[in-house]
Amino acid sequence: EPEVTQTPSHQVTQMGQEVILRCVPISNHLYFYWYRQILGQKVEFLVSFYNNEISEKSEIFDDQFSVERPDGSNFTLKIRSTKLEDSAMYFCASSGGTGGVDQPQHFGDGTRLSIL
Amino acid sequence: ELKVEQNPLFLSMQEGKNYTIYCNYSTTSDRLYWYRQDPGKSLESLFVLLSNGAVKQEGRLMASLDTKARLSTLHITAAVHDLSATYFCAVDPLRGNEKLTFGTGTRLTIIP
Repeated sequence: EPEVTQTPSHQVTQMGQEVILRCVPISNHLYFYWYRQILGQKVEFLVSFYNNEISEKSEIFDDQFSVERPDGSNFTLKIRSTKLEDSAMYFCASSGGTGGVDQPQHFGDGTRLSIL
Repeated sequence: ELKVEQNPLFLSMQEGKNYTIYCNYSTTSDRLYWYRQDPGKSLESLFVLLSNGAVKQEGRLMASLDTKARLSTLHITAAVHDLSATYFCAVDPLRGNEKLTFGTGTRLTIIP
């Protein structure tokens, strides 16, 4: 079964540094998402992306965050200047393939981001 | 702002017993999803509920949706240890392929 793949699985970064999290969505999907989950808490929406542009973003997704689909397969989340509170698990998801709008979002295994 | 609440937050139950997890949400929606998450792992899709009265079953789990009451339930029948995980409901308030608003999660522990 097709999967969403994310790299790296764990990223440790010094506060203030830039970090890029990478995702390869399922190949025939059209909608892409980033979510985050702080340890022990619920999953929070960050941003959705469709037709090469952001379709919606949350209050969390401020000017320090950006997303890009640099080619036909990758989908990246960049945090420009990381803060301690950015430490979380970041999940990429995709949806909207040939199965239509009634299919669930498929999640990757996540990248655990630790800011020191 | 859409709010999604689950209860209970923690559930410890014995093998063989039945129980129900509840998911309430605050605005009109007919798209609700249930996901399972094992510790440190990703979110696995369990059920997609797309209309009032929808009921889906997979093994010992059954999910239902009442859009008028803005309530979904996840019923566990004759629990087994393998079902220990955190269960999240998530609501898509619009027309599909939009952001999901997740519930608080229910951490389920099945005791032998």
